[in-house]
Amino acid sequence: GAVVSQHPSRVICKSGTSVKIECRSLDFQATTMFWYRQFPKKSLMLMATSNEGSKATYEQGVEKDKFLINHASLTLSTLTVTSAHPEDSSFYICSAASDASHYEQYFGPGTRLTVT
Amino acid sequence: QKEVEQNSGPLSVPEGAIASLNCTYSDRGSQSFFWYRQYSGKSPELIMFIYSNGDKEDGRFTAQLNKASQYVSLLIRDSQPSDSATYLCAVVSGGSYIPTFGRGTSLIVHP
Repeated sequence: GAVVSQHPSRVICKSGTSVKIECRSLDFQATTMFWYRQFPKKSLMLMATSNEGSKATYEQGVEKDKFLINHASLTLSTLTVTSAHPEDSSFYICSAASDASHYEQYFGPGTRLTVT
Repeated sequence: QKEVEQNSGPLSVPEGAIASLNCTYSDRGSQSFFWYRQYSGKSPELIMFIYSNGDKEDGRFTAQLNKASQYVSLLIRDSQPSDSATYLCAVVSGGSYIPTFGRGTSLIVHP
């Protein structure tokens, strides 16, 4: 299957600071990238969908000014958590899909964010 | 509202048995169906996808799709303790590329 990387794998930051998470598709061009959040023992929650060169589409209840998403190329998307607070502590997972196939998603390994 | 339903489990099977995981979906226009495996603390991993009615086999895994009944299943033959994980069903409708995920079924394979 296709490979998606995510960096960093773990990050601890202080309340009020911003954190950037990178998601890269390593061996295919990702037409679309997705960002998910998952709390312990809970379901995946889709935060936003982004297409290369376009503004991200956010799910209801997700603050676009707090979770900034950039999809500058077909292999890179970034999620910036601005002014992080302890309640933003979670497991953030990106996935990538291509319109050249049937949009099967390949997930990155995830980033565990802890805000102190 | 597109819905994908899975029994949360846990489904417990003995080692060597066949594990059967089921998923139903509400949107008759659904066209693509995926099964992901997620180990605790890890991200989901794509293990099977199916687009046509019938069975699709890959190693110990078989996906079965019945569009008339709006039902997709995953069979795991010769289950191993390493198969213990949460299995997520995802469905993509025609005209969309955004999947709807089920809540997942927890599978426990005991020695």
